[in-house]
Amino acid sequence: RKEVEQDPGPFNVPEGATVAFNCTYSNSASQSFFWYRQDCRKEPKLLMSVYSSGNEDGRFTAQLNRASQYISLLIRDSKLSDSATYLCVVKGVGSSASKIIFGSGTRLSIRP
Amino acid sequence: DTEVTQTPKHLVMGMTNKKSLKCEQHMGHRAMYWYKQKAKKPPELMFVYSYEKLSINESVPSRFSPECPNSSLLNLHLHALQPEDSALYLCASSQDLNYNSPLHFGNGTRLTVT
Repeated sequence: RKEVEQDPGPFNVPEGATVAFNCTYSNSASQSFFWYRQDCRKEPKLLMSVYSSGNEDGRFTAQLNRASQYISLLIRDSKLSDSATYLCVVKGVGSSASKIIFGSGTRLSIRP
Repeated sequence: DTEVTQTPKHLVMGMTNKKSLKCEQHMGHRAMYWYKQKAKKPPELMFVYSYEKLSINESVPSRFSPECPNSSLLNLHLHALQPEDSALYLCASSQDLNYNSPLHFGNGTRLTVT
């Protein structure tokens, strides 16, 4: 089993739709969680950190479920510009940076 | 605009060449990273520097040689690369190695080895 798993997609949804992705992690001791977006041939950009209580930033909502060991990203009222690959990132215990683990990414395509 | 700057943006080099990739950040971050990313794959960690000291080397071949001249700069020296080393090389920084410090990536150097 991979340490961090994401549905690779692609998700192809119409503009204005709501779409959600999950990311599961295997290490229950994982400490922090992030969502990044990556456009084609560009660098990953931090979208949002994921807090235990869940957090929202505009149309984006991130949630953490420690009991089931997954994080989720919800995008409401999707825009064409939301088309990208979404990477979940899990950081482990302590200060070891090698415990930064990327999921393989979920491709999202928004159609007009 | 990214706050981590990488140069060059593109690099084509032969297998006998020596070249260097450069990375600079002025956010006062004390951890800096090199990642390699192949198409349609997530970034793979290569090296981590913490407070200008090499903290992690993820078993990277010696043809890749990192250097951290000061807290703002990170270099990756390349020598005798193979065509399979062609990839996007990403530099990143974080405040420190604390678990809640997110990574901030530069825009990458797209390397082609011929």
